[in-house]
Amino acid sequence: QVQLVQSGAEMKKPGASVKVSCRASGYTFTDYNLHWVRQAPGQGLEWMGILERSGAETKYAQNFRDRLTMTSDTSTTTVYMELRNLRSDDTAFYFCLREYPGGDHDYWGQGTLVTVSS
Amino acid sequence: QTVVTQEPSLTVSPGGTVTLTCASSTGAVISGCLPNWFQQKPGQSPRALIYRTNNKHPWTPARFSGSLLGGKAALTLSGVQPDDEAEYYCLLFCGFIWAFGGGTKLTVL
Repeated sequence: QVQLVQSGAEMKKPGASVKVSCRASGYTFTDYNLHWVRQAPGQGLEWMGILERSGAETKYAQNFRDRLTMTSDTSTTTVYMELRNLRSDDTAFYFCLREYPGGDHDYWGQGTLVTVSS
Repeated sequence: QTVVTQEPSLTVSPGGTVTLTCASSTGAVISGCLPNWFQQKPGQSPRALIYRTNNKHPWTPARFSGSLLGGKAALTLSGVQPDDEAEYYCLLFCGFIWAFGGGTKLTVL
């Protein structure tokens, strides 16, 4: 069965970086895109970016373009989201989301809480 | 930057029908915007309901349907159940970038 399993909660200081992982299983990794989405406490969903075909190409939302890097490791079927120069308003749950190319979004990871506090 | 707009909140009676909409600042929502709909309950990850305007996942209850309505994407719930009380988000690819709507809090009362 399809699973997206994310790494555990992180606590970081302002100015630091965080790298969250999402390990995929149960399907052909390179056939699908993976998105990263975040949700601040009590707020809505915010699209951050996409790794197409699990690493062939990346596109980032304008809000994150200078601080965000998404990568993948096909040998471990894992995608990574690194956010740099963290601020307190980056405190949020971060989710990975699978998409079959063409707009078929289906499975979500369980979410990773990143807390940014001095 | 695309802004996607949803009704902040709606209330529906059990057994009733309600339609949630999703508009794009880029103009009319068309099938090429690849509308997706998700349901989220407190403390849970979102769950996918509808993809590419009107396609259901195997787990999507039959009472949920997607469409295009008056230049917007729409999610209709027919025969609403108390368990449908949740936040609903749309996701659009208008403007060649993905963007979520702000969410609609659906209350079943």
